[in-house]
Amino acid sequence: EAQVTQNPRYLITVTGKKLTVTCSQNMNHEYMSWYRQDPGLGLRQIYYSMNVEVTDKGDVPEGYKVSRKEKRNFPLILESPSPNQTSLYFCASRGQPNQPQHFGDGTRLSIL
Amino acid sequence: AQSVAQPEDQVNVAEGNPLTVKCTYSVSGNPYLFWYVQYPNRGLQFLLKYITGDNLVKGSYGFEAEFNKSQTSFHLKKPSALVSDSALYFCAVRDRSNTDKLIFGTGTRLQVFP
Repeated sequence: EAQVTQNPRYLITVTGKKLTVTCSQNMNHEYMSWYRQDPGLGLRQIYYSMNVEVTDKGDVPEGYKVSRKEKRNFPLILESPSPNQTSLYFCASRGQPNQPQHFGDGTRLSIL
Repeated sequence: AQSVAQPEDQVNVAEGNPLTVKCTYSVSGNPYLFWYVQYPNRGLQFLLKYITGDNLVKGSYGFEAEFNKSQTSFHLKKPSALVSDSALYFCAVRDRSNTDKLIFGTGTRLQVFP
């Protein structure tokens, strides 16, 4: 089954403790992205990647890092999380430019 | 600045009635246009897209959308609403350059009452 898998689904942690949210897709897609969803703001793009070792900033990249060492994986790294990064995070992937993105089921992060 | 507007936070409709969820955009060129639906505790699911051609696009679950270039709108429609259509709906646009920048609207919650 074609899917985007994120882990963990839920995480409660404390300010400053580094964390990584993993994302993996099994569709051999070149493009992958990370979004955060906040009430009243919709989804905002954090980072995206157009291929292995090619990443670029989205609209809200501050406080986040990403890496794309393999085509299927695109982890999101919060080096020093802060409470304003409490949010619902989605990973997505797609193939050709005119194709829609496939989304994971989301990761709910709470930073205390 | 590029943007997508969904002017209604919530749309209420009775089951069996037609529904419309509005979307307008401000993006240069001829962007790709998408509608997604989000059910509780789930990711976004693709409904339909406009790439080129016919201005009326048909998608999943009986939904369709009408593209209007002069009004830069892409409204989502369904002739007869179901209670199970109740969910959060997002409009999104992506320009045709070779990037993955996707701009979302703020979402519209659709409530269909029995």
